[in-house]
Amino acid sequence: NAGVTQTPKFQVLKTGQSMTLQCAQDMNHEYMSWYRQDPGMGLRLIHYSVGAGITDQGEVPNGYNVSRSTTEDFPLRLLSAAPSQTSVYFCASSPRAWGNQETQYFGPGTRLLVL
Amino acid sequence: KQEVTQIPAALSVPEGENLVLNCSFTDSAIYNLQWFRQDPGKGLTSLLLIQSSQREQTSGRLNASLDKSSGRSTLYIAASQPGDSATYLCAVRGSGGSNYKLTFGKGTLLTVNP
Repeated sequence: NAGVTQTPKFQVLKTGQSMTLQCAQDMNHEYMSWYRQDPGMGLRLIHYSVGAGITDQGEVPNGYNVSRSTTEDFPLRLLSAAPSQTSVYFCASSPRAWGNQETQYFGPGTRLLVL
Repeated sequence: KQEVTQIPAALSVPEGENLVLNCSFTDSAIYNLQWFRQDPGKGLTSLLLIQSSQREQTSGRLNASLDKSSGRSTLYIAASQPGDSATYLCAVRGSGGSNYKLTFGKGTLLTVNP
């Protein structure tokens, strides 16, 4: 198993550009989520999905869109990039959405710089 | 709103020392608590998960305890090694309406000196 994979590893954007951060998992996990990690802020949840076709907002969803057409993939779209979106983005998955035994598996991250 | 605090923010110890990292949370209604390790420029690796009904979990030189009623968890690392140097993150998964997400602390940066 490759686990949770993310592409690209690093990206530079200009303000106003759009892009999609890719996330895929090969563990047949129901639950997938996106976090951003900023210095002094910790990790914050952007969007999450409890299964194919079902998504919902987390703590900081503004400026981001997601979709979940398959169990494996959960892309994160930046519609019009802003410098405030400069961050490291992590995708995570777990076998099921609910339950107290569900370990979260994280991808390696995408480092995004918006100029 | 759940808040997670980790103390200390940074810790430097000589190799071989036993050490304790602390995590506290404000809302005791949790499903579980996880400790993660993050190496520089890398993703998070889960170390231990403690269910809300459990008091502790052990894996090798690591032992994590949970006192849900007081909102505290500790990660004990025995006989520390330079390879243990990393940032350690604590995260709680809420119960009820907030059980879809993890709330993270800001981490403890551990340096183990040879």
